[in-house]
Amino acid sequence: QVQLVESGGGVVQPGRSLRLSCAASGFTFSSYGMHWVRQAPGKGLEWVAVIWYDGSNKNYADSVKGRFTISRDNSKNTLYLQMNSLRAEDTAVYYCASSSWYAEYFQHWGQGTLVTVSS
Amino acid sequence: DIQMTQSPSTLSASVGDRVTITCRASQSISSWLAWYQQKPGKAPKLLIYKASSLESGVPSRFSGSGSGTEFTLTISSLQPDDFATFYCQQYYSYPYSFGQGTKLEIK
Repeated sequence: QVQLVESGGGVVQPGRSLRLSCAASGFTFSSYGMHWVRQAPGKGLEWVAVIWYDGSNKNYADSVKGRFTISRDNSKNTLYLQMNSLRAEDTAVYYCASSSWYAEYFQHWGQGTLVTVSS
Repeated sequence: DIQMTQSPSTLSASVGDRVTITCRASQSISSWLAWYQQKPGKAPKLLIYKASSLESGVPSRFSGSGSGTEFTLTISSLQPDDFATFYCQQYYSYPYSFGQGTKLEIK
């Protein structure tokens, strides 16, 4: 069965960096687009970024553009989110999610990893 | 950017009730709309995609309809497991966006 497992969250000071990982299993990772979606405490869902199956196209929410970088290593079945210049408003649970085979809704989700930006 | 607006924000209902949640897009998104259910402390779960297609394994009491700018999620007969928060999401164009959520509470 499809499994997505995020890691790398934690407490970080404003202005610092953090890299999240998402280990995928149970499907052909290299054939599917992947996303990061976040949820601030007590708030709704916010799409963060997407990367196509082969890494050829990436897109970001305006709120993270220029600070966050999505990438993938298809040889390791792993998705990444490099987060730089972190702000308090980046505090959230970060989920990775896989697209379906034919459209970019979020078919499968990880359990999430909490990032807290605080001094 | 496309804005998604759900109504109501909170809905109180009883087991066995039929409930409907509405989602409106700020511009036409054709049928590129998904619905998710989220329970406290858990990841969202896909219910409906392409506005009206039921995800595999999702009970048939869930249904979706609409196209263009107005969409609905209907639960035909509420079960105890259905009380949760529901989100719509457009995947017509980047940046993808969610509605603010509808919390379905037990009356």
